[in-house]
Amino acid sequence: AQTVTQSQPEMSVQEAETVTLSCTYDTSESDYYLFWYKQPPSRQMILVIRQEAYKQQNATENRFSVNFQKAAKSFSLKISDSQLGDAAMYFCAYRDLYSGAGSYQLTFGKGTKLSVIP
Amino acid sequence: GAVVSQHPSWVICKSGTSVKIECRSLDFQATTMFWYRQFPKQSLMLMATSNEGSKATYEQGVEKDKFLINHASLTLSTLTVTSAHPEDSSFYICSAREGPYNEQFFGPGTRLTVL
Repeated sequence: AQTVTQSQPEMSVQEAETVTLSCTYDTSESDYYLFWYKQPPSRQMILVIRQEAYKQQNATENRFSVNFQKAAKSFSLKISDSQLGDAAMYFCAYRDLYSGAGSYQLTFGKGTKLSVIP
Repeated sequence: GAVVSQHPSWVICKSGTSVKIECRSLDFQATTMFWYRQFPKQSLMLMATSNEGSKATYEQGVEKDKFLINHASLTLSTLTVTSAHPEDSSFYICSAREGPYNEQFFGPGTRLTVL
């Protein structure tokens, strides 16, 4: 079974600074997706960024980028120029590329609570 | 983008009553929907996978007679918490699968409080 580990329960960053959230995972599959989701105080889950394992290039979305190390099974999220609105829980998630049961289930890490200091 | 709604956003009920939570995909058809439960300061726990027109697949440890899931159409799945008790109080989130990446789009969640 796949597992996702987020070893940082809480992180803080000064506004306008850069922060990196860590995530490691375990799988025997070679093709899969990795995601970072943001859950602000409203508790609405928002997709931040997606990485396909078969792509070597790290995904980027504006101020958000990932460092995907497939051999090390590491998938960290870098947030540049942090803003107050970035304060939230961040969840790393894994999904098989193909689902034999057709369900495409996500496996979530336990989350990292990010605080942004003005 | 794909939008998923949930209703109600919060509900308070008495112990022993049943509560129904609706999950709708507003601008797309979802063959698969998922139901999660989230306790305070914890991650999302998958309860069940719901496929349109068939029985839901429940995760180990989830009582299917207590948490009834119906996915009667391509845009609606419902979760009914039967004979609710205070320990069922939680935040329930649904999601729907859509798009070329088979992504899950999440509803805003429903806070259930059982007195």
